[in-house]
Amino acid sequence: DTGVSQNPRHKITKRGQNVTFRCDPISEHNRLYWYRQTLGQGPEFLTYFQNEAQLEKSRLLSDRFSAERPKGSFSTLEIQRTEQGDSAMYLCASSPLGGQNYGYTFGSGTRLTVV
Amino acid sequence: AQSVTQLGSHVSVSEGALVLLRCNYSSSVPPYLFWYVQYPNQGLQLLLKYTTGATLVKGINGFEAEFKKSETSFHLTKPSAHMSDAAEYFCAVSYSGSARQLTFGSGTQLTVLP
Repeated sequence: DTGVSQNPRHKITKRGQNVTFRCDPISEHNRLYWYRQTLGQGPEFLTYFQNEAQLEKSRLLSDRFSAERPKGSFSTLEIQRTEQGDSAMYLCASSPLGGQNYGYTFGSGTRLTVV
Repeated sequence: AQSVTQLGSHVSVSEGALVLLRCNYSSSVPPYLFWYVQYPNQGLQLLLKYTTGATLVKGINGFEAEFKKSETSFHLTKPSAHMSDAAEYFCAVSYSGSARQLTFGSGTQLTVLP
């Protein structure tokens, strides 16, 4: 068990470009979550999957954002037409069913800078 | 909607002194409560959690927290601070009736002075 893995660790992109991040959860975890964290703030929930089904999306997840979890394994988060306001740390977490009883395991995050 | 308030965005203590980080939550149903620690440019590491049962919860690295329903609080303490405790600490809440995601406070940056 290597924990939750996120790639890349850092991404610098020009405004208007598309970016994609990847998250590999702990293999036996059914649930996968994406959060966004801006400087000086706590993480904010974006979306969550149970297996391959995307069960909830935050209002923070505008139509420029899309997330997938094909086959219920790894997940990708894509941001289209990036804006400077998208600059943030994007965190992925996973948990087994009943995650509230076990805690949620976070990855090291992908830091996005839009210039 | 649930919310978490962390009083004090910055806390400084001397090495060896008591650490007290405050967390209050709003809830009309029993919460699940968590404390996470984040080191610079890293993800979040779970320190401890309260689900049900004993209200005094012990975690890693000598930290503990007490769930006080009457005060809607879940303050984090450590009897003696170590330099390696310097980090940002986040309190978070989840609910059994929610979509199971975490709602975080805005964090408390802990500085440990030599």
